[in-house]
Amino acid sequence: EVQVVEFGGGLVQPGGSLRLSCEASGFTFSDYWMSWVRQAPGKGLEWVANIKQDVNEKTYVDSVKGRFTISRDDTKNSLYLQMNSLRVEDTAVYYCARVDPDNVYWGQGTLVTVSS
Amino acid sequence: DVVMTQSPLSLPVTLGQPASISCRSSHSLAYSDGNTYLNWFLQRPGQSPRRLIYKVSNRDSGVPDRFSGSGSGTDFTLKISRVEAEDVGVYYCMQGTHWPRTFGQGTKVEIK
Repeated sequence: EVQVVEFGGGLVQPGGSLRLSCEASGFTFSDYWMSWVRQAPGKGLEWVANIKQDVNEKTYVDSVKGRFTISRDDTKNSLYLQMNSLRVEDTAVYYCARVDPDNVYWGQGTLVTVSS
Repeated sequence: DVVMTQSPLSLPVTLGQPASISCRSSHSLAYSDGNTYLNWFLQRPGQSPRRLIYKVSNRDSGVPDRFSGSGSGTDFTLKISRVEAEDVGVYYCMQGTHWPRTFGQGTKVEIK
């Protein structure tokens, strides 16, 4: 069974940093693109970042470019999101996701709150 | 990026009545392998989204047959033949043909 579990959310002040982690199981992690998707309170789903299997290709939503960095460690079946210069508008539940063409496997998400 | 546009964004429905959600994409979702990767998800309050329909019209295991998906190219529809109380939540279409994958804005279904 495909499973992903996110860690690392919390309360951080504007301008601060946070690192999210995700542990995956139930599939060959190194074979798949992985993504971070977020959902602000009461809002829809938004892709934040994607990383290809060979890590040579990464994509980001414009609003996080230059501030967030997605990475992976295939030896640990883990995905990461380093978030710097956080803004109030980054407040959201962040989901780690394996995104296939016909399905998305995601965890329960981890809440990031950016507030002073 | 492919833009997915859902309508309506809010859908109050009467129990037992039908409901329909439209999803339009800015680019054709037909893929070179012959498949069209348009999927539908339902997110209930406090939960992660759950897939209902994949590749336009295939229902997931356990999804009632009152749910049906149809469409092709850039124009897709999710229909509920008779809405039940457990159907409330936010419905999202998602395209898996192009990178990056993209979602519609979501349609909130609630009982009148």
